[in-house]
Amino acid sequence: GAVVSQHPSRVICKSGTSVKIECRSLDFQATTMFWYRQFPKQSLMLMATSNEGSKATYEQGVEKDKFLINHASLTLSTLTVTSAHPEDSSFYICSARVPYPSYNEQFFGPGTRLTVL
Amino acid sequence: DAKTTQPNSMESNEEEPVHLPCNHSTISGTDYIHWYRQLPSQGPEYVIHGLTSNVNNRMASLAIAEDRKSSTLILHRATLRDAAVYYCILRDVSIYNQGGKLIFGQGTELSVKP
Repeated sequence: GAVVSQHPSRVICKSGTSVKIECRSLDFQATTMFWYRQFPKQSLMLMATSNEGSKATYEQGVEKDKFLINHASLTLSTLTVTSAHPEDSSFYICSARVPYPSYNEQFFGPGTRLTVL
Repeated sequence: DAKTTQPNSMESNEEEPVHLPCNHSTISGTDYIHWYRQLPSQGPEYVIHGLTSNVNNRMASLAIAEDRKSSTLILHRATLRDAAVYYCILRDVSIYNQGGKLIFGQGTELSVKP
């Protein structure tokens, strides 16, 4: 299957700082990318859907001003956690979807573990 | 998105087949059935998907009930590396829904005993 990478794999930051996480589709062009968050022992929670060249669509309850998403190219989406606080510590996972008509193909990155001190 | 119901956990012995059930009684005509699995501290990995007919690939088989209200993921010979959380997800892939989204439920945590 196709490869999706994330960088960094692990980040520790101080409370109040901003952290940027990159998600790249390495061998295909992804018109749509998704960002998920996962707390320990819980399932993945979809945060937002990101379409190349347009604004992201956020799920209910997700603060768009806190979690800034930029999908500037067909192979790169970024998630910026602004003014991070300890409760934002989580495992952030992106995924990228192959364009129509292959909607069934969706590939996940390895995840980024964020720890906010 | 239609909801799925899976057992919280299952156990299997190594080298034996495993049948992971999933109920999706509210499935619609344009919902595909997807299975992903997640190993600890990793992103989910695609396992298999299907619409109406049973499907086989190198990882697993997917058996879909005739009324499509349930399905079963079959691992033919479980290995220790198959220990993971398995998610059964419905996704509406119609053009109208722009391909839909993968909404994860709680999944089934599969443990494999040597």
